[in-house]
Amino acid sequence: QKEVEQDPGPLSVPEGAIVSLNCTYSNSAFQYFMWYRQYSRKGPELLMYTYSSGNKEDGRFTAQVDKSSKYISLFIRDSQPSDSATYLCAMSAKGGNNAGNMLTFGGGTRLMVKP
Amino acid sequence: GAVVSQHPSWVICKSGTSVKIECRSLDFQATTMFWYRQFPKQSLMLMATSNEGSKATYEQGVEKDKFLINHASLTLSTLTVTSAHPEDSSFYICSAPSAGLGSPLHFGNGTRLTVT
Repeated sequence: QKEVEQDPGPLSVPEGAIVSLNCTYSNSAFQYFMWYRQYSRKGPELLMYTYSSGNKEDGRFTAQVDKSSKYISLFIRDSQPSDSATYLCAMSAKGGNNAGNMLTFGGGTRLMVKP
Repeated sequence: GAVVSQHPSWVICKSGTSVKIECRSLDFQATTMFWYRQFPKQSLMLMATSNEGSKATYEQGVEKDKFLINHASLTLSTLTVTSAHPEDSSFYICSAPSAGLGSPLHFGNGTRLTVT
């Protein structure tokens, strides 16, 4: 079993739909949770960064963390064709400069928003 | 926001030659940078941790003599793929944390390497 599980998709939705992307994890030590968006042939772009449980909203994006269920979500409201990309969840037990080698990524979900 | 610049964005080289990829933090200093490799439709695989002023730390299975890493300053890390072979063709991405404790990673735009 992988430490972080993420449905690879592809997930296809019509423009304007609410998108729900999810990851489950097994390591209860994870405290820092991130969502990255990656367009084809580009590096990942940080979308959301949360610490511990709770919700965080930024524009059309809402990140939710439920540590009791070991489940995190990213919601995209009013989805646009420009949101079509691969979304990667990532998490670590420790922040700081060591985060890169303690960061565990999900496999990514490919999202397609059709006009 | 924090910007990580990676160069070149793509490179084609012949088998047996070496290729150098640069990763720069443009508006912050990074004592640590990270190098990843990504195969098509797969997630990122950490290759090594680049440490300013000291040796890089390589992940298990990554050949340190093949993937040379130099972190000569607080804003620049380089990855040199030596004696490249077609199986080294991949997407290489660097990243760096933008600030202190708890800061997230910011990624460069990646370098697509094709070895013919």
